[in-house]
Amino acid sequence: AQKITQTQPGMFVQEKEAVTLDCTYDTSDQSYGLFWYKQPSSGEMIFLIYQGSYDEQNATEGRYSLNFQKARKSANLVISASQLGDSAMYFCAMKGPDNFNKFYFGSGTKLNVKP
Amino acid sequence: DVKVTQSSRYLVKRTGEKVFLECVQDMDHENMFWYRQDPGLGLRLIYFSYDVKMKEKGDIPEGYSVSREKKERFSLILESASTNQTSMYLCASSTGGYQPQHFGDGTRLSIL
Repeated sequence: AQKITQTQPGMFVQEKEAVTLDCTYDTSDQSYGLFWYKQPSSGEMIFLIYQGSYDEQNATEGRYSLNFQKARKSANLVISASQLGDSAMYFCAMKGPDNFNKFYFGSGTKLNVKP
Repeated sequence: DVKVTQSSRYLVKRTGEKVFLECVQDMDHENMFWYRQDPGLGLRLIYFSYDVKMKEKGDIPEGYSVSREKKERFSLILESASTNQTSMYLCASSTGGYQPQHFGDGTRLSIL
């Protein structure tokens, strides 16, 4: 069974600094996908970035990058140049090779960006 | 853009009531999902559906049922609401493969 672990319940970062949100996963599958979502206080879940298990390059999307270390089974999200609008809950999720697009989510990290 | 619409942002119901949460997506996605979100527990899958009239139990199906009569609509039913079902409920849809799930805005449900 797949499992996602986010060990940081809450984090603070100063505006304009970079921050890393940790995510480790456990799976016996060779093929899998890793996703990060942002959830502002309003509640909607916003897809940020995706990394496939066979991707050799770390994924990047604007100020978001994914530090993928396959041997360590970690997929940390890096946010560069933090902005006040980055304050939100962040969830890491994983999908295995099943046909139903079933995701497994971590417990989330609440990020607060300080001015 | 994919649009997933949940019928209510906030809902208050009484213990024992039958509660319907509705979700509609406009992108012809095969897969639809219902999650509940509680502090410190992340998102937990209640039920999902991979086709019309098809459904599969997730991790916490007890006390819930679902209905998918049309491809675009997936309903979550609380047969007899209880206070421990007070939570945030999120609906999502997706295609297959490694595509992201797209979420609605969520329904904050309170059972009194």
